[in-house]
Parts: sequence; C-alpha cells; structure tokens
Amino acid sequence: EAGVAQSPRYKIIEKRQSVAFWCNPISGHATLYWYQQILGQGPKLLIQFQNNGVVDDSQLPKDRFSAERLKGVDSTLKIQPAKLEDSAVYLCASSIFYRDRGDGYTFGSGTRLTVV
Amino acid sequence: GNSVTQMEGPVTLSEEAFLTINCTYTATGYPSLFWYVQYPGEGLQLLLKATKADDKGSNKGFEATYRKETTSFHLEKGSVQVSDSAVYFCALILNTGGFKTIFGAGTRLFVKA
Repeated sequence: EAGVAQSPRYKIIEKRQSVAFWCNPISGHATLYWYQQILGQGPKLLIQFQNNGVVDDSQLPKDRFSAERLKGVDSTLKIQPAKLEDSAVYLCASSIFYRDRGDGYTFGSGTRLTVV
Repeated sequence: GNSVTQMEGPVTLSEEAFLTINCTYTATGYPSLFWYVQYPGEGLQLLLKATKADDKGSNKGFEATYRKETTSFHLEKGSVQVSDSAVYFCALILNTGGFKTIFGAGTRLFVKA
C-alpha cells in the first residue's frame, strides 16, 4: 500500500512570498488532515477534511492560510503571504473514517518550510 | 484546557539501557492515549495506544499504562537499541463533538552503541 505522498520535501522562501504544499492521501481514505509542526513542539491541527468538505478549520489562520480538496482526493495548502513564524514542518495525514480514534492515521513525511 | 506534557529531551542512553519517557495530561472527559514515533526523515507512526484507565498498550518491546489517578501515560522499554533513536510523541484524543487530537512537544531519544 502506497503511503501518504507530500511534496515538496523542502522549501525556502522569503517573507511575504507565497507557497503551496501538495498532499495525496492513501487511496480510499476519506479524511485528510494538515498539521503544522514547529520545531520543538508537537503537531498542531490546521484543517481537517471529510471527502471534499471541511470538518474543522478552527486553528487555521485564515487571513493567510487556505486549503482545498476539490475532488475529495488530493489536497493543497497555501500560505500567502508567508511570515517568519510560519517556518515549520507541514504534515499531511489521512484516515479511513471521520471518527477515527487516532490509530488509523497515516502520516506523510512532511514538507519543511523555511521563511527567511 | 486540554494538554499533554512530556519530559524534555534529548534523552541519551546506551544500548540495552532501560527507557522511561514521562507523559502527563490534562483533559476534560475521558481521552484515549497514544504514543507516536517519528524516525528521521519520516512521518509519525502509531507506536501504541490505550483507550481506558488501567489499559496497557504495548508494541515492539515498548509499554505504557493508562493511569487515570495520576493522569499519566509513561512510555517504557526494558532494553533499548540503536534503532530506537527517534522522536516520541505522546498524544490524547477527546471526543468533543468531533475527535480532537492533542500532541505533546515530543522527546528526542538518542541510543549509543
């Protein structure tokens, strides 16, 4: 079974530029998550999709972050404009069920963003 | 609020040493508790879980017991290997109308040969 694919692996941008990350979940996984992992901290949920609908985006900074999952499969997360504090690893995860209790999550390897 | 606190790392041990990584939590309600592991350059993987008080989760020689009275879920392994070098995350999941996952900050483990 192929895992959760993310690209790019690394990205360095200047502040105020824009950047986009891509995630392709495991085939058949209806639920997709984007997490932000700042160095020295645990992952923080940014947004959760069930198919192509948003379930939870309460911690997404909507003035600069946006995400979409138009066809209910792959997803993109965008930051525009980026700030220095956005430097982090952005993790994508997927699971079969919306009410998955955590043991069904599969994480991608993440995209490491550095804003200079 | 709901939170997870882990011991700060890095933890450095020699091979075959005993490992304990402390984890305590604060939660309203009755969470499920998890340990995830992140090897270098990889995503998080579920290591073990416990869904109710006094449950013991175990996997690959690692164990953790859900202690409601002390709100703890400490990770232990009797004899670590170099291949156990990774970052370990304690997490809880609460049902607050939807399932919310809260991760600890992670503890980096280095095992020397």
